Amino acid sequence: NAGVTQTPKFQVLKTGQSMTLQCAQDMNHNSMYWYRQDPGMGLRLIYYSASEGTTDKGEVPNGYNVSRLNKREFSLRLESAAPSQTSVYFCASSLLPIEQFFGPGTRLTVL
Amino acid sequence: EDKVVQSPLSLVVHEGDTVTLNCSYEVTNFRSLLWYKQEKKAPTFLFMLTSSGIEKKSGRLSSILDKKELFSILNITATQTGDSAVYLCAGMNYGGSQGNLIFGKGTKLSVKP
Repeated sequence: NAGVTQTPKFQVLKTGQSMTLQCAQDMNHNSMYWYRQDPGMGLRLIYYSASEGTTDKGEVPNGYNVSRLNKREFSLRLESAAPSQTSVYFCASSLLPIEQFFGPGTRLTVL
Repeated sequence: EDKVVQSPLSLVVHEGDTVTLNCSYEVTNFRSLLWYKQEKKAPTFLFMLTSSGIEKKSGRLSSILDKKELFSILNITATQTGDSAVYLCAGMNYGGSQGNLIFGKGTKLSVKP
């Protein structure tokens, strides 16, 4: 059981470039989440997917899109990266509304 | 607007000390309060508290929820250097189709030998 995996671990982009962060879980969880974590700001929810085929906005969705490709995979896309999107991105999953299991994170720098 | 406030934001103690971390919350349609420990990477789950007044315990860590006063505390007794981490508190609501977590900013605990 790998749990929640994320790729890449690190990424540097230039302003205006696009990229997709990948997340996969092998725990057969229904719900998946994308968070960003900035110094002094805690974790903030970007988007979540309660089940395959559904996605909903969280607290800070602007500048991002998501795709729940299947039950295992939930990707986060930055269409036109901005320096304000420099952050650490965490994917998480949960079976029921109890504990969420987090991936190792992706550290993104936008220059 | 939902919010979770943790205090203190940082804390330095010596091994063997007992610490209490605080978390107050204002969460619409509140369901549960969760505590996570974050070392260098991903947060790892510690406790979920749903009922008031029932202490949850795991080794030297314990936590309790007060739904009337809208707060929770996390106690760590006989601290060790391995307890050094950021401790995150999160309120879960019934929002959306599944419970969403509203995180506090965390308490950074440093335990010195």
